[in-house]
Amino acid sequence: KQEVTQIPAALSVPEGENLVLNCSFTDSAIYNLQWFRQDPGKGLTSLLLIQSSQREQTSGRLNASLDKSSGRSTLYIAASQPGDSATYLCAVRRRGSNDYKLSFGAGTTVTVRA
Amino acid sequence: DTEVTQTPKHLVMGMTNKKSLKCEQHMGHRAMYWYKQKAKKPPELMFVYSYEKLSINESVPSRFSPECPNSSLLNLHLHALQPEDSALYLCASSQETSPQETQYFGPGTRLLVL
Repeated sequence: KQEVTQIPAALSVPEGENLVLNCSFTDSAIYNLQWFRQDPGKGLTSLLLIQSSQREQTSGRLNASLDKSSGRSTLYIAASQPGDSATYLCAVRRRGSNDYKLSFGAGTTVTVRA
Repeated sequence: DTEVTQTPKHLVMGMTNKKSLKCEQHMGHRAMYWYKQKAKKPPELMFVYSYEKLSINESVPSRFSPECPNSSLLNLHLHALQPEDSALYLCASSQETSPQETQYFGPGTRLLVL
């Protein structure tokens, strides 16, 4: 069974500081890993999708790395802003009979203080 | 346009009511999903539709009944729900059910069962 862990569960930083969010997974046989953002009571917004053959993906201030062999991904958000306050979830697509499923972590709730 | 829309935004229903949730996408995606998300938990997959046919039912109770009338529309019919069914119901779509595809989520319907 694929287990996805996100540590810390919550993070509070002053505006301008860089954010580092961690995601680990137990089964390295994955197709890809996806990072999502969720605002309170809202749906999920896809931020970055990293295929298993890739090491990183970048979009604007966001950079996500993937180390499949060690079962880890890191999401970096440069120069954080109050608008970055949200819950960030990572999810993996595991190879095998359950490959239709996204296995989610519990998320890291980020607060950026003005 | 990468938008998935869901209606209604909020729904309150009694345990004897029948109601429906609606999800729509116009991206030409042939895979659509229903997820359930309890507070401070990650989303849990309920159903997967591929080319308008139900392909996955994650052992969801029969009081939840999905329907895919056409390739753009996905409904979730609710009947005789329990208070523990109160949650955020999220719809998502992707080009196909292939694990390489990004899933795009709607804003969700917040359901309260009294």
